[in-house]
Amino acid sequence: QKEVEQNSGPLSVPEGAIASLNCTYSDRGSQSFFWYRQYSGKSPELIMSIYSNGDKEDGRFTAQLNKASQYVSLLIRDSQPSDSATYLCAVGHNTDKLIFGTGTRLQVFP
Amino acid sequence: KAGVTQTPRYLIKTRGQQVTLSCSPISGHRSVSWYQQTPGQGLQFLFEYFSETQRNKGNFPGRFSGRQFSNSRSEMNVSTLELGDSALYLCASSRDREQYFGPGTRLTVT
Repeated sequence: QKEVEQNSGPLSVPEGAIASLNCTYSDRGSQSFFWYRQYSGKSPELIMSIYSNGDKEDGRFTAQLNKASQYVSLLIRDSQPSDSATYLCAVGHNTDKLIFGTGTRLQVFP
Repeated sequence: KAGVTQTPRYLIKTRGQQVTLSCSPISGHRSVSWYQQTPGQGLQFLFEYFSETQRNKGNFPGRFSGRQFSNSRSEMNVSTLELGDSALYLCASSRDREQYFGPGTRLTVT
């Protein structure tokens, strides 16, 4: 079982729709959770961090964490073609070592 | 505030050679982590340094090493290069758990 699992996609959504990206993790001791966006040929860019159960909103992005189910998700509202990228879920324990999922490719079509 | 910088951006080496990559973190960030990204394995943690001390190490052979200087700048070294070492090497600096990536060094081993 992989430590951090994501559906590789592609996830295709129309412009203006809500994109829902999901991630599960295996280590119950995980304490920090991150979503990164990576455009082709570029390095990952941090878009959300979440540390406690519940929702955290930042602009069009909402991260959701459920530690009991070992599940973290990212919602992107009003999706734009510029949101088309690979979204990486990363999980940390009590140090700066992050375990990454393989990423979900999101395609937003006009 | 300037972001994470990495040098060089591109590098071509032959098998058996060694290589040194450099990373300058965001000002005020004392933790530097290194990751290897390949199409097959995704993003994998190499090691993390904090205040010149290695705090964490990933599951890579001893050919991969690193260090951190008193100004928080970090270097990683790969000796006896193999074809499989071809990858994007990413450095991330952090404070308060959030990691910010540099543009990466693209290493090609021929």
